[in-house]
Amino acid sequence: QKEVEQNSGPLSVPEGAIASLNCTYSDRGSQSFFWYRQYSGKSPELIMSIYSNGDKEDGRFTAQLNKASQYVSLLIRDSQPSDSATYLCAVGKDDMRFGAGTRLTVKP
Amino acid sequence: DAGVIQSPRHEVTEMGQEVTLRCKPISGHNSLFWYRQTMMRGLELLIYFNNNVPIDDSGMPEDRFSAKMPNASFSTLKIQPSEPRDSAVYFCASSQGGPSTEAFFGQGTRLTVV
Repeated sequence: QKEVEQNSGPLSVPEGAIASLNCTYSDRGSQSFFWYRQYSGKSPELIMSIYSNGDKEDGRFTAQLNKASQYVSLLIRDSQPSDSATYLCAVGKDDMRFGAGTRLTVKP
Repeated sequence: DAGVIQSPRHEVTEMGQEVTLRCKPISGHNSLFWYRQTMMRGLELLIYFNNNVPIDDSGMPEDRFSAKMPNASFSTLKIQPSEPRDSAVYFCASSQGGPSTEAFFGQGTRLTVV
């Protein structure tokens, strides 16, 4: 079982729609959870961090964490073509491990 | 703050040669990570340092890979001898509060071994 799993996608949504990205993790003792965005040929860029159960909102982005289900998600509201990228889920405990990423395409 | 700085940005070398990648973390950050990214394997953690001390190097592929952090502002990842399968993008990242806090990435080094 992979430590951090994501739907590989690709995920395609129309402009203005909500994009939903999901991630599960295997270590129940994990303490911190992050979403990174990576444009093609660029480095990962941190967009959200969440440490406790529930929702955390930042502009058009909402991260949701459910530790009991070992599940973290990212919602992007009013998706824009500029949101087209690969989204990486990362889980922190004794170190930081990444999922394989979900490629999102937002079509105009 | 200039962010995490890596050099070189691109490296092309012949099989069997020694390669050294360099990283300057964000000032004040006490954790430093080396990752390798390929299409097949995604982003893999190679090694991380906390307060300049290597904590976990279980991700280092084999003895050909070594990493050092002689001080808080500099780290190196060395591959000797290099092989074509080492071709990848190598990222360095740093964080302020340890391995489970927000990490910020450098621009990466694209290594090609021919």
